[in-house]
Amino acid sequence: QVQLQESGPGLVKPSETLSLTCTVSGDSFNNNYWSWIRQPPGKGLEWIGYIYYSGGTNYNPSLKSRVTISVDTSKNQFSLKLSSVTAADTAVYYCAKGNGWFFHWGQGTLVTVSS
Amino acid sequence: EIVLTQSPGTLSLSPGERATLSCRASQSVSSSYLAWYRQRPGQAPRLLIYGASTRATGIPDRFSGSGSGTDFTLTISRLEPEDFAVYFCQQYGSSPGTFGQGTTVEIK
Repeated sequence: QVQLQESGPGLVKPSETLSLTCTVSGDSFNNNYWSWIRQPPGKGLEWIGYIYYSGGTNYNPSLKSRVTISVDTSKNQFSLKLSSVTAADTAVYYCAKGNGWFFHWGQGTLVTVSS
Repeated sequence: EIVLTQSPGTLSLSPGERATLSCRASQSVSSSYLAWYRQRPGQAPRLLIYGASTRATGIPDRFSGSGSGTDFTLTISRLEPEDFAVYFCQQYGSSPGTFGQGTTVEIK
């Protein structure tokens, strides 16, 4: 059974960089795509981007200039960095398996952007 | 990008009733790459349907999906207490993948 767990700071200051890591267990990390999705409080879902285990990436154009997703196969982890954050980046951030539909999700972590 | 518009915004029904949710795309969704999710408060979304009509593993047969092109429907034949939640559609045929704004199914 695949399990995904997000980790990282729950509070980030405006203009700084949001950094989150997703740790995957119970499944092969290799030969899979891994995604980040976010959900502002009380709102809908937004796909941020995905990474293939070998490092290829695809980002949402709306965030592309600020997003970097990286992978560490030795630790079965992939990470998200979002730079120059504002209050509009306050959201629950989910990691998920796949690049199309998403069956396996992490529980989500709330990141608040505030000074 | 493809914009998905879900209707109605809120559906007020009683347990045991039938729910019909709509998802309309701003342009055709290639190969019916359309998914549906249910999200309960404080939880991650749960995949119900992919490929417009294929139930995900472990999803009961009271959930069914249909449609193609720009018009898609999720039907819940008999609402159970756990079905009162928010439902999202998602297209993954064109990048970036996009989600609808959600339909809330509430207890009448």
